[in-house]
Amino acid sequence: KAGVTQTPRYLIKTRGQQVTLSCSPISGHRSVSWYQQTPGQGLQFLFEYFSETQRNKGNFPGRFSGRQFSNSRSEMNVSTLELGDSALYLCASSSSGGARETQYFGPGTRLLVL
Amino acid sequence: GENVEQHPSTLSVQEGDSAVIKCTYSDSASNYFPWYKQELGKGPQLIIDIRSNVGEKKDQRIAVTLNKTAKHFSLHITETQPEDSAVYFCAASNLPLKLTFGTGTRLTIIP
Repeated sequence: KAGVTQTPRYLIKTRGQQVTLSCSPISGHRSVSWYQQTPGQGLQFLFEYFSETQRNKGNFPGRFSGRQFSNSRSEMNVSTLELGDSALYLCASSSSGGARETQYFGPGTRLLVL
Repeated sequence: GENVEQHPSTLSVQEGDSAVIKCTYSDSASNYFPWYKQELGKGPQLIIDIRSNVGEKKDQRIAVTLNKTAKHFSLHITETQPEDSAVYFCAASNLPLKLTFGTGTRLTIIP
């Protein structure tokens, strides 16, 4: 099976712009989670989607949003970008989203905000 | 919410020796504890995980132990090899697919 794929892999934006990142989970997986990774804050949970519904949300401002489509693909959007949004954004998928289920990560999208 | 502490932040060991990384968690409801390895420019890769009904799990050179009473778990890598050099993250979860990660350990294997 193909792994989790994320597009684009690299992105440069300027402050105030918005950005949309895409994630395709492993075939058959229905749960998708998003994480932000920075040197200062480490890996932080953004939100999780299952069957097109957001089930869990981390402590991020409303500028961070996401959605999931019927084919389980997910997108994450960040509006009004700030310099501090520069990070590696990681997507992870799992089969049915059970509480103790293994998550598989994609390679990430590296976002640089200038 | 859950809080995970990880030690040490950096670790250097001679090739062939063992490496141990320790994590503690705060939420007694957490019941799933994975370990990830992240190489430069890549996403985290699951190397081993343990669930709360098990005290120890081993996979070849890698083992994880869990002490639910003390709320800590550890990663043990034996017979280390140069390709084991990477950043290792522990994590804990008490909700569906919401992992709380430790701050990472940069492991360097000295040839």
